[in-house]
Amino acid sequence: AQTVTQSQPEMSVQEAETVTLSCTYDTSESDYYLFWYKQPPSRQMILVIRQEAYKQQNATENRFSVNFQKAAKSFSLKISDSQLGDAAMYFCAYRSAQGGSEKLVFGKGTKLTVNP
Amino acid sequence: DTGVSQDPRHKITKRGQNVTFRCDPISEHNRLYWYRQTLGQGPEFLTYFQNEAQLEKSRLLSDRFSAERPKGSFSTLEIQRTEQGDSAMYLCASSFHGTSGRDTQYFGPGTRLTVL
Repeated sequence: AQTVTQSQPEMSVQEAETVTLSCTYDTSESDYYLFWYKQPPSRQMILVIRQEAYKQQNATENRFSVNFQKAAKSFSLKISDSQLGDAAMYFCAYRSAQGGSEKLVFGKGTKLTVNP
Repeated sequence: DTGVSQDPRHKITKRGQNVTFRCDPISEHNRLYWYRQTLGQGPEFLTYFQNEAQLEKSRLLSDRFSAERPKGSFSTLEIQRTEQGDSAMYLCASSFHGTSGRDTQYFGPGTRLTVL
């Protein structure tokens, strides 16, 4: 079974600075997707960024980018120019691309605090 | 597109009572997922539907849990004889599953269940 590990329960960053959230995963599959979801306090989870495992190029979405290291099974999220609205729980998630339910397997999350 | 909606947002019940939650997915989405999230943890997969067919259930889904999606649109999750351990946030997500495999799951706001 696939597992996702987020080793940083909490992180903090100063407004306008850059922060990197770590994620590692374990799988024997070669084809899969990786995601970062953001869950603000008392609000619903939203997709931040996704990465297809077959793509070598790291995904970017505005201030958000990933460092995908397939051999190391590492998938970190970099947030540049941090804003107060970035404060949230961030979850790393894995999804198989080999058919079936394609359920998401989540890590335990990292709570990000943005200091003004 | 009004997003995924869930009702109720909060439910407080006494141990032993039955509860039912409803999820309305994004209208064109053919897949619907249920997840459970306990405090300090990432969401865990419970079950999913493709159209009206329930195709996978997690071992987390005990006999006291039942889910339906009768017309392939909204879904209900019922918990019978609730226990204190059932206290959690119940999240619904939907996606459009097509041939590309690029379907993204969109989450609702969740139903927070408290069992006294």
